Amino acid sequence: AQKVTQAQTEISVVEKEDVTLDCVYETRDTTYYLFWYKQPPSGELVFLIRRNSFDEQNEISGRYSWNFQKSTSSFNFTITASQVVDSAVYFCALRDGGFKTIFGAGTRLFVKA
Amino acid sequence: DGGITQSPKYLFRKEGQNVTLSCEQNLNHDAMYWYRQDPGQGLRLIYYSQIVNDFQKGDIAEGYSVSREKKESFPLTVTSAQKNPTAFYLCASSKGTAPANYGYTFGSGTRLTVV
Repeated sequence: AQKVTQAQTEISVVEKEDVTLDCVYETRDTTYYLFWYKQPPSGELVFLIRRNSFDEQNEISGRYSWNFQKSTSSFNFTITASQVVDSAVYFCALRDGGFKTIFGAGTRLFVKA
Repeated sequence: DGGITQSPKYLFRKEGQNVTLSCEQNLNHDAMYWYRQDPGQGLRLIYYSQIVNDFQKGDIAEGYSVSREKKESFPLTVTSAQKNPTAFYLCASSKGTAPANYGYTFGSGTRLTVV
């Protein structure tokens, strides 16, 4: 069965600190997709990244980077030099051979000025 | 600009009342979804639709109903059979019927409260 675990319920950092959000997933499929979404206070989830199971290359986009490790079933998300605008709830999600996407419980990030 | 519009933003429901949440998209996306979000929990799938006039139950469909008469529209009705409807409801769409190839586009949500 699919499962996504985001063990960190809330994280609080001071602006300019680096922060890593953890995501551990479970699936029996060999082909699957992993996602990260950001939910700012406005409520709308914003798609950040998609990664398929055959591509373990890490990705960097500006201050954001993602570390995908199949050996540990993890897809962690790092924000470098955090800013107040990064304050949001971040969701990790998994889609395998079925049609449904399973979301983790989310990690609420507070970035203080 | 293309996107998903959910209305209303806030909705109050009396006990025993049915209410309908609107979801409209102008992205020409084939698939649409309804998720429910409760505090401290991830998003849970209520219903999804891959094509017009067809939809399937998600994990928590009891007490909800949907229709998909037009590609652009996927309204959700919260019926009186839903015993705990207070939650944040999110509508989403994806370009193809294989959303693994694309991320979802989400609406800004409807917060439903039972009074």
